[in-house]
Amino acid sequence: SAVISQKPSRDICQRGTSLTIQCQVDSQVTMMFWYRQQPGQSLTLIATANQGSEATYESGFVIDKFPISRPNLTFSTLTVSNMSPEDSSIYLCSVFLQTNYGYTFGSGTRLTVV
Amino acid sequence: GNSVTQMEGPVTLSEEAFLTINCTYTATGYPSLFWYVQYPGEGLQLLLKATKADDKGSNKGFEATYRKETTSFHLEKGSVQVSDSAVYFCALNAGGTSYGKLTFGQGTILTVHP
Repeated sequence: SAVISQKPSRDICQRGTSLTIQCQVDSQVTMMFWYRQQPGQSLTLIATANQGSEATYESGFVIDKFPISRPNLTFSTLTVSNMSPEDSSIYLCSVFLQTNYGYTFGSGTRLTVV
Repeated sequence: GNSVTQMEGPVTLSEEAFLTINCTYTATGYPSLFWYVQYPGEGLQLLLKATKADDKGSNKGFEATYRKETTSFHLEKGSVQVSDSAVYFCALNAGGTSYGKLTFGQGTILTVHP
């Protein structure tokens, strides 16, 4: 299975600022996903990031708020823009490997907006 | 749409007790089913999976059987340990246009006391 390095692991940010989260995979993968886990809640898919094309966003999430880059098959970033306290969550990246039909998750970024 | 429903938590057990966490799903087609575990302060780890009806996934003493007739994928363990204390998520991938995406249940907090 793939190994994912996600940075930063946690951050405390001022409202109105932006934070970029990085996700590095140790192998080339076609499909990468970004999820949000609000306090005490389950995981919700934000968007699918495919190399060479625009990210596909789920209902309730927009590119202006959560811009995503996918410059190559091993790396992606998620930016949380113009943050408010409601954005305080854990953000996780995930990859899907067809070889073992498996999903691997990064360790997550715990974001607190004050 | 696709959805996953888990039993209400939290669940509190004594060490060596039997564990069942119920999971039912709604999906079009033939989804793949997963159980993920999130230990305190850590990211998600795949616990087990089943990709077709009647498959049984197993790992670390945990088991779950894909029951198409009851649209269920209940998690069981015969004798829990304190180290099993974590949050457990049931999830599905519906395939088709949802290829690669996971839909999660709300999570069940398990606490095991010595």
